[in-house]
Amino acid sequence: NAGVTQTPKFRVLKTGQSMTLLCAQDMNHEYMYWYRQDPGMGLRLIHYSVGEGTTAKGEVPDGYNVSRLKKQNFLLGLESAAPSQTSVYFCASSYSKAARTDTQYFGPGTRLTVL
Amino acid sequence: AQSVTQLDSHVSVSEGTPVLLRCNYSSSYSPSLFWYVQHPNKGLQLLLKYTSAATLVKGINGFEAEFKKSETSFHLTKPSAHMSDAAEYFCVVRTTGANNLFFGTGTRLTVIP
Repeated sequence: NAGVTQTPKFRVLKTGQSMTLLCAQDMNHEYMYWYRQDPGMGLRLIHYSVGEGTTAKGEVPDGYNVSRLKKQNFLLGLESAAPSQTSVYFCASSYSKAARTDTQYFGPGTRLTVL
Repeated sequence: AQSVTQLDSHVSVSEGTPVLLRCNYSSSYSPSLFWYVQHPNKGLQLLLKYTSAATLVKGINGFEAEFKKSETSFHLTKPSAHMSDAAEYFCVVRTTGANNLFFGTGTRLTVIP
């Protein structure tokens, strides 16, 4: 049981390049989330998904797209990377949003640098 | 509206002394409250969670937190700090039924030998 995994762990991009971050979970969770973490700030929600085939915007969605084609995977895409997207990206998943089962489990993070 | 305020950006304690990390929250409805810990270059690990059951919540590694509705606080405590407790701690709130977690800005705990 690996929990939540993220690929890659590190990446350096040039401005304008595109890339996709992969998140995978093996806990059969319905809900999945992408956050970014910047110095001096807590995590901020980018996009989330409440089930296979569904996605929704979070607090800071601009410049990102997501897809949830399979229940266990949640992809985060940057179509044209900008230096402002330099950050550490965390994926998380939860069973539901009901109070008893809404604990989010986090992946180890992806450190992205955009030059 | 939901928000979290962590009152100290940095706390420094000596090994073996008590730890207090302060958190105040704002939530329109009944909240779920969490404390997560992040060790350097690692992901976030859940320490403990409050979901309207007992107001005193016990977590892993000897940490506990008390939910005080009248003070809108959820402070994290530990009786005796260990070197391995040095990390960043995040207080997090979620209103029941909402999708988002709202994170505080974090408190960095330093433990002095």
